Amino acid sequence: KNQVEQSPQSLIILEGKNCTLQCNYTVSPFSNLRWYKQDTGRGPVSLTIMTFSENTKSNGRYTATLDADTKQSSLHITASQLSDSASYICVVSDRGSTLGRLYFGRGTQLTVWP
Amino acid sequence: EADIYQTPRYLVIGTGKKITLECSQTMGHDKMYWYQQDPGMELHLIHYSYGVNSTEKGDLSSESTVSRIRTEHFPLTLESARPSHTSQYLCASSGPYRGLLGYEQYFGPGTRLTVT
Repeated sequence: KNQVEQSPQSLIILEGKNCTLQCNYTVSPFSNLRWYKQDTGRGPVSLTIMTFSENTKSNGRYTATLDADTKQSSLHITASQLSDSASYICVVSDRGSTLGRLYFGRGTQLTVWP
Repeated sequence: EADIYQTPRYLVIGTGKKITLECSQTMGHDKMYWYQQDPGMELHLIHYSYGVNSTEKGDLSSESTVSRIRTEHFPLTLESARPSHTSQYLCASSGPYRGLLGYEQYFGPGTRLTVT
């Protein structure tokens, strides 16, 4: 069964600190992995996307890593800001789907305190 | 910023009412999707469309129905709303296949539905 699991479920950090969110997946055959940011009451917005041949991808203060062998990914947020408070969702695509089917994790709810 | 819109953003309605959630996109995308999301849970695919006059049910069983008469428009209808339909509904669309990058899905802002 194709699954995506994220940890921790929630996280509270102080403004300016760094944090790392984790994602494990069993989706096969693997095509790509995305990290989305979802603000409360909004739709998810893509932060990074990585294929199986990519180990790391950065987008400003966000850096995602991928280990396709162990089927693990992480999202590192540097120098957190209050606006980083959101749910971060790990999303995996399988290869060959003509629908573009996505497998979603439940997200990590990040709260940044001043 | 993706050009995909949903209305209304928030809806509170009584049991038994018929409702239609609107979704439109201006990107000319063929594929469109409806997801249901409860707090702290993953998004569940409830309907999708490959293009005009194409609609299919997703992984999560839903009493809602959809239609795709125009490329840009993908409304979702509940004939008789019930409290169990209370949830957030997200619409998405995707453009052409991009090889290993697959299909990039762009999400609307969502409709928060509350049925009393």
